[in-house]
Amino acid sequence: GAGVSQSPRYKVAKRGQDVALRCDPISGHVSLFWYQQALGQGPEFLTYFQNEAQLDKSGLPSDRFFAERPEGSVSTLKIQRTQQEDSAVYLCASSLDPGADTEAFFGQGTRLTVV
Amino acid sequence: QKEVEQDPGPLSVPEGAIVSLNCTYSNSAFQYFMWYRQYSRKGPELLMYTYSSGNKEDGRFTAQVDKSSKYISLFIRDSQPSDSATYLCAIPPPQLSFGAGTTVTVRA
Repeated sequence: GAGVSQSPRYKVAKRGQDVALRCDPISGHVSLFWYQQALGQGPEFLTYFQNEAQLDKSGLPSDRFFAERPEGSVSTLKIQRTQQEDSAVYLCASSLDPGADTEAFFGQGTRLTVV
Repeated sequence: QKEVEQDPGPLSVPEGAIVSLNCTYSNSAFQYFMWYRQYSRKGPELLMYTYSSGNKEDGRFTAQVDKSSKYISLFIRDSQPSDSATYLCAIPPPQLSFGAGTTVTVRA
């Protein structure tokens, strides 16, 4: 596809359930980012990959959050033992290179609701 | 303190009005400044970016940076209903630090 693809678009999880969110970046994009966007707020940085290397995970809110990008393309964000405060839209973005002036392209997001 | 703070809004303006959106940032070392537009239930998309101080125009949109006061602005001239969206200021790199976003509604 031409853009960043995220799946599922919507996910309802019972509190305590584990979830896995998938991101297919634009082919050839080196950098991949995950963001969390709460209702009415701007996206908050979670983690950053350059190829398969996770260079920054400082934004992950707890050790229940884990992200991987094993082959430098598709990435998965996993949340263990989901809590109500995890309800948000999770956005994935990719960019061609790590340069500061490089445009990041966003997927449509996965809306996670924890009940 | 967040790296970038944005006037929260929301803003509702009549069609044809000028929309003014503002952010402040904390780190004087920042060089690049971006504005993203986010339509409802979509991901953000890059609208404009500027480097250093001054103005940059792109059609009806003007981005302005004042590094002395650490202030960035976006102006939309002759606003259209299709401009109704949330506008986010953002600072790289490489990960983006976003403002909270300002939701703009342009009334026909």
